[in-house]
Amino acid sequence: SAVISQKPSRDICQRGTSLTIQCQVDSQVTMMFWYRQQPGQSLTLIATANQGSEATYESGFVIDKFPISRPNLTFSTLTVSNMSPEDSSIYLCSVVGTGRNEQFFGPGTRLTVL
Amino acid sequence: GQQLNQSPQSMFIQEGEDVSMNCTSSSIFNTWLWYKQDPGEGPVLLIALYKAGELTSNGRLTAQFGITRKDSFLNISASIPSDVGIYFCAGQRTSGTYKYIFGTGTRLKVLA
Repeated sequence: SAVISQKPSRDICQRGTSLTIQCQVDSQVTMMFWYRQQPGQSLTLIATANQGSEATYESGFVIDKFPISRPNLTFSTLTVSNMSPEDSSIYLCSVVGTGRNEQFFGPGTRLTVL
Repeated sequence: GQQLNQSPQSMFIQEGEDVSMNCTSSSIFNTWLWYKQDPGEGPVLLIALYKAGELTSNGRLTAQFGITRKDSFLNISASIPSDVGIYFCAGQRTSGTYKYIFGTGTRLKVLA
């Protein structure tokens, strides 16, 4: 499976600011996703990060709030914009392996908004 | 977003006991994945299932793809303290999209 790293691992931010989270994979992958995991909850897909084109967002998530970049097949960023305390969550990137439909996750970024 | 129903929501068991949990939906799925998440970490893939009726093991873990394609089961035999964590199922409805819907999670606590 691919080795996935995320930066930062955690952060505490002030309301109204923005944070950019980076996801780096040690090999080229076609499919990369961003998820949100609110406290004590399951995982919810935010968007599919498409290489060289705009991300595909799920219902309830918009580009203005969660802009995503995917400049190449090993790297993506997710920005959480104009943050409020409700954005406090773990944000996870994931990739689909080169085998079958298996999906692997990064370690996550734990965000707290005050 | 849509989620799959997992049960039980949480369970306390004694070390050495077997554990069973399941994931159900009203929709048909083509692939089922089972994950374990430890505190402060991302989910780790345990088992992947690709066809109805498939039974797959990974050490003390065994998972099955339900024959109706609407459910999946995970069993852990002879539990140990490090089995503590949250177990999530994830289902893929449409082949090729690589998008998964996640279950609500089962929180497992093992008493030594």
